[in-house]
Amino acid sequence: GAVVSQHPSWVICKSGTSVKIECRSLDFQATTMFWYRQFPKQSLMLMATSNEGSKATYEQGVEKDKFLINHASLTLSTLTVTSAHPEDSSFYICSASGLAVTDTQYFGPGTRLTVL
Amino acid sequence: KQEVTQIPAALSVPEGENLVLNCSFTDSAIYNLQWFRQDPGKGLTSLLLIQSSQREQTSGRLNASLDKSSGRSTLYIAASQPGDSATYLCAVMGGANSKLTFGKGITLSVRP
Repeated sequence: GAVVSQHPSWVICKSGTSVKIECRSLDFQATTMFWYRQFPKQSLMLMATSNEGSKATYEQGVEKDKFLINHASLTLSTLTVTSAHPEDSSFYICSASGLAVTDTQYFGPGTRLTVL
Repeated sequence: KQEVTQIPAALSVPEGENLVLNCSFTDSAIYNLQWFRQDPGKGLTSLLLIQSSQREQTSGRLNASLDKSSGRSTLYIAASQPGDSATYLCAVMGGANSKLTFGKGITLSVRP
């Protein structure tokens, strides 16, 4: 299957700082990328859907000004957590799919964010 | 709103046992259903994907079935091994919005 990478795999930051997480599709062109958040022992919750070259669509309850998503190319999407706070500490996972919105999503390995 | 339920949250079995993991969903208008494996602190590994028109899929010791009308899926693991210990997540893709909705997962422990 297709390979999706995330960087960094973990990050620790101080409260109030911003953190950028990268999601890359290594061997295919990802028209659509998805960002999920997973709290301990909870489901993965979709945060936003991004299409290359256009603005991301955020799920209800997700602050678009706090979680900035950029999908500038067919192989890279970034999630920036601005002014991070301890409650933003979570496991962030991206996935990527091809042309059709119903295409199989390929998941990255996740990024563990800890905000002190 | 689609809801996906996986019960129990955790399961412990001795090695060699055949086991069934259950998943239920509230809205039967789905495009597909997928089973994933997640190891602690890791991302997701896709195990099996069943399209809405299919009844089951098999891969090695794994068999997943889908009964869309009743909103249920099962993942059957034959001859379980300690290496099967992980969290198993069920996810459905909505027929209308094509979004994946995940269950909370079942944490499986296979005892040697």
